[in-house]
Amino acid sequence: ETGVTQTPRHLVMGMTNKKSLKCEQHLGHNAMYWYKQSAKKPLELMFVYNFKEQTENNSVPSRFSPECPNSSHLFLHLHTLQPEDSALYLCASSQDIAGGSSEQYFGPGTRLTVT
Amino acid sequence: AQSVTQLDSHVSVSEGTPVLLRCNYSSSYSPSLFWYVQHPNKGLQLLLKYTSAATLVKGINGFEAEFKKSETSFHLTKPSAHMSDAAEYFCVVSYNQGGKLIFGQGTELSVKP
Repeated sequence: ETGVTQTPRHLVMGMTNKKSLKCEQHLGHNAMYWYKQSAKKPLELMFVYNFKEQTENNSVPSRFSPECPNSSHLFLHLHTLQPEDSALYLCASSQDIAGGSSEQYFGPGTRLTVT
Repeated sequence: AQSVTQLDSHVSVSEGTPVLLRCNYSSSYSPSLFWYVQHPNKGLQLLLKYTSAATLVKGINGFEAEFKKSETSFHLTKPSAHMSDAAEYFCVVSYNQGGKLIFGQGTELSVKP
């Protein structure tokens, strides 16, 4: 595997379900990110982790719970979601968060549908 | 507030003709600027980035962008469009704030045969 991988690629869940999204980066980076991409809206940053520590929570509802066990893996645990949470969830990684010139590398995303 | 504006939500060109996708940013201080491309059902791929070196930046697939500080612009161009260029393009700015990127609304590029 190369780059940033995400599983599953598609997920349909009911509002009472609990599921998790997984992201893995094979680039030796130290920072990882979760983004939400909804139709007709700009990408929204959700969480930032740097060296396994959360450095940003962009006012995300508690029904989204991130976990970063090491610099290569990032999870997003989902529970009691709402239909408006249906979106493409993108994971990204970068060398670190210091400086502004470090580009982010994105995974293919998980298409989430909440029924 | 720091922001980035993509001036066109949709651009349509014919194959073989030039592409121009426009982007303006707010100028709190010198930002880093990026263009990303997203093909349907795919993640975002970096096309090019500007980080205070040469103002004309060359990227992948024949794309380039010019940083114009006086106009606070970072427009993306390509001399000759290819059918495979049809995708959504995002102008992105970083103000060196803990890894946070600010994304434009995106421009959908259509390429007609």
